[in-house]
Amino acid sequence: DAGVTQSPTHLIKTRGQQVTLRCSPISGHKSVSWYQQVLGQGPQFIFQYYEKEERGRGNFPDRFSARQFPNYSSELNVNALLLGDSALYLCASSGQGQGTEAFFGQGTRLTVV
Amino acid sequence: DQQVKQNSPSLSVQEGRISILNCDYTNSMFDYFLWYKKYPAEGPTFLISISSIKDKNEDGRFTVFLNKSAKHLSLHIVPSQPGDSAVYFCAASAIIGTYKYIFGTGTRLKVLA
Repeated sequence: DAGVTQSPTHLIKTRGQQVTLRCSPISGHKSVSWYQQVLGQGPQFIFQYYEKEERGRGNFPDRFSARQFPNYSSELNVNALLLGDSALYLCASSGQGQGTEAFFGQGTRLTVV
Repeated sequence: DQQVKQNSPSLSVQEGRISILNCDYTNSMFDYFLWYKKYPAEGPTFLISISSIKDKNEDGRFTVFLNKSAKHLSLHIVPSQPGDSAVYFCAASAIIGTYKYIFGTGTRLKVLA
């Protein structure tokens, strides 16, 4: 079975540009969460979607947005990129029920120059 | 405001010995805790979890202990193996099933052969 897949794996963008990152969850998982990990820090929660509805939002500016599609895949969009947006962006999927852990993809490394 | 803290950025242990990784938290609403392992260029891999109704959970070589009164949890790996060398993150969640995890900054474990 395929795990969580993210695309692209690496990306270089210029300040002010917009970027879209994609995530396909594990088959059967209906929840997708997005995290940002900067060097030397732990992952920081950005969004959670469940059944196409936003269930949680972290402390990130409105430049960050996301959506979930009927097949439960998800996109993370970041507008007006800043140098500080350079990070590893992680997607995690989760099954139903309480106490179930989240499974992470390999991440997308975004570099803003 | 760091709600989940891993005060040891690194730890070195001889192969075959016990590795103990520590994590402290400040939010008494946290009721679900997880440990993830991360290799370079990969996403975090789930290791083990514990809910606040327990004080211990075991899975093979990995045991997590939770001390709610001290707001402290630890991960014990025994015996440690060179393949365990990675960065370990503890994470906490306020409500089981929301998947909004607050991560610590990680501890880099090096197991020496």
